[in-house]
Amino acid sequence: AQKITQTQPGMFVQEKEAVTLDCTYDTSDQSYGLFWYKQPSSGEMIFLIYQGSYDEQNATEGRYSLNFQKARKSANLVISASQLGDSAMYFCAMRERTSGSRLTFGEGTQLTVNP
Amino acid sequence: DAGVIQSPRHEVTEMGQEVTLRCKPISGHNSLFWYRQTMMRGLELLIYFNNNVPIDDSGMPEDRFSAKMPNASFSTLKIQPSEPRDSAVYFCASSLHLLGNRAYQPQHFGDGTRLSIL
Repeated sequence: AQKITQTQPGMFVQEKEAVTLDCTYDTSDQSYGLFWYKQPSSGEMIFLIYQGSYDEQNATEGRYSLNFQKARKSANLVISASQLGDSAMYFCAMRERTSGSRLTFGEGTQLTVNP
Repeated sequence: DAGVIQSPRHEVTEMGQEVTLRCKPISGHNSLFWYRQTMMRGLELLIYFNNNVPIDDSGMPEDRFSAKMPNASFSTLKIQPSEPRDSAVYFCASSLHLLGNRAYQPQHFGDGTRLSIL
């Protein structure tokens, strides 16, 4: 079974609108962390935001927020006020306590922001 | 602050040649990771080190691949002999591993090495 599932291969959003990128995960660990990374066309991997399984509040970092629904095992990324520079591939990843430092990545969602 | 530094950025070489990829992690980080990214397989963890010691090399494809971390500020990934199917982007990442801490630190990635084996 997939540990990280990103069901949207591609998403489109109008500039200045908000967009939600979906991520569901599968783990039996009580302790885990969820991460989102951005990969623009230039290729680098940029860390965006982190949510710990014990965190009671949803994580926020500037225009990025994480809609964490633990019971549903979902960790959706919300980007507010989209900008053209947000066009990129977005990866959801998970680290489980029992997997050491290993990160498991989803297949990614390609976001395109239209002017 | 300097991020993770990888070299070279691009490498084109012929099949059978030895390839060495280099990585300098962020100062103070004690975990280092090597990943490979391809269209077909996505991002794969090849190997990672904690405090310069290899912890998990289960992702290393075969004996042609080897990785070393002689000190806290340098690591290499070597492919010998190289094959066309090794063509990919290879990323190095580093993070701070804190024992007993319930929060997990993010991995920070270098810009990658785009490897083409002809």
